[in-house]
Amino acid sequence: EDQVTQSPEALRLQEGESSSLNCSYTVSGLRGLFWYRQDPGKGPEFLFTLYSAGEEKEKERLKATLTKKESFLHITAPKPEDSATYLCAAPMNTGFQKLVFGTGTRLLVSP
Amino acid sequence: DTGVSQNPRHKITKRGQNVTFRCDPISEHNRLYWYRQTLGQGPEFLTYFQNEAQLEKSRLLSDRFSAERPKGSFSTLEIQRTEQGDSAMYLCASSLLQEYTEAFFGQGTRLTVV
Repeated sequence: EDQVTQSPEALRLQEGESSSLNCSYTVSGLRGLFWYRQDPGKGPEFLFTLYSAGEEKEKERLKATLTKKESFLHITAPKPEDSATYLCAAPMNTGFQKLVFGTGTRLLVSP
Repeated sequence: DTGVSQNPRHKITKRGQNVTFRCDPISEHNRLYWYRQTLGQGPEFLTYFQNEAQLEKSRLLSDRFSAERPKGSFSTLEIQRTEQGDSAMYLCASSLLQEYTEAFFGQGTRLTVV
């Protein structure tokens, strides 16, 4: 069964304290790994797509990496505005975006 | 383009009533999706349209739920005879026709059934 698991469930950081979020997946024949950011009461906001092991993408303080079994979202010197839930998702083998999401990591960055 | 637009943003309804939500996708996107998200969970796939054709429906979509995408533009999701278990955030997303390209989500419609 296709499954995406995220850890930790919640993470509290001090401003400037770097850390990493984990996303492990058991999807047969990975066809992309997607990271989204979600603020309370809002829809997910697209961050990154990774398609192959070894690939890295960066945006401001965020960097996403991919291995054959998991992806990491590294947050460098976070700021309070980075507080959000970070979701990862992988598509099932359907040819379209039938995404399987993890339950997310709730990140709180304190000033 | 302002992205995927959903209306209303919030809906409170009494159990047993019918509700309808609207989604306007990004204009050049052929593919449109509906997802449902409950508190503390990731979004769950409900249904998929390619242009005006509804090509897949999840088992989560009971026969009280119906979705349409007339003329391949906006989409509506209707829930008949709402139940308290229908309370959730209903999310619409759209993407280009290219396989496995990223989907962009709207802000969602929060449904509360009382």
